[in-house]
Amino acid sequence: DAKTTQPNSMESNEEEPVHLPCNHSTISGTDYIHWYRQLPSQGPEYVIHGLTSNVNNRMASLAIAEDRKSSTLILHRATLRDAAVYYCILRPTGFQKLVFGTGTRLLVSP
Amino acid sequence: NAGVTQTPKFQVLKTGQSMTLQCAQDMNHNSMYWYRQDPGMGLRLIYYSASEGTTDKGEVPNGYNVSRLNKREFSLRLESAAPSQTSVYFCASRIQEGGPFETQYFGPGTRLLVL
Repeated sequence: DAKTTQPNSMESNEEEPVHLPCNHSTISGTDYIHWYRQLPSQGPEYVIHGLTSNVNNRMASLAIAEDRKSSTLILHRATLRDAAVYYCILRPTGFQKLVFGTGTRLLVSP
Repeated sequence: NAGVTQTPKFQVLKTGQSMTLQCAQDMNHNSMYWYRQDPGMGLRLIYYSASEGTTDKGEVPNGYNVSRLNKREFSLRLESAAPSQTSVYFCASRIQEGGPFETQYFGPGTRLLVL
């Protein structure tokens, strides 16, 4: 499985943008980039995914580098509810499982 | 829709005892999964069921068995619990296999403590 590298933790202030980086230098052409997050004492929840182009949804934006060796999850205005562990995951086409790393713990201050 | 539900929420077992963790989904999903999460770690896949009537091993299947009872329900059984199985267990479901973009939906978790 291709691996991802994320910082252990990041801090942000409420209502500021947050850029969460993910390195995946061994990504293959068929790997989709998925982001999930896990709020305290809850199961993970889907945030966003992409293959080559940048993606936007109601929760976040995903910026993918041209060489696809890195990506950035962008929360446009952090709220206290966004404090969670964010997981960057590579998923090959048709592959069953999500392989979770240790993720980035995002702390949001008022 | 309740989504993915798990019972019990919390359980304490003694070493050697057995128990079954229950999971149900009401989204008509074909695929279901069991993960475990140890403190400070990411989730690891125990078993999964791509469709009703099939089950396959994940990364850490030893010490567990599963049953896909019907399309809605997927149970995880610990036959003889060990302290190393102390963890939080998450069930998840997904519409179907075959594509890389179908979202997995997770339940709230079962916290298991084995003494």
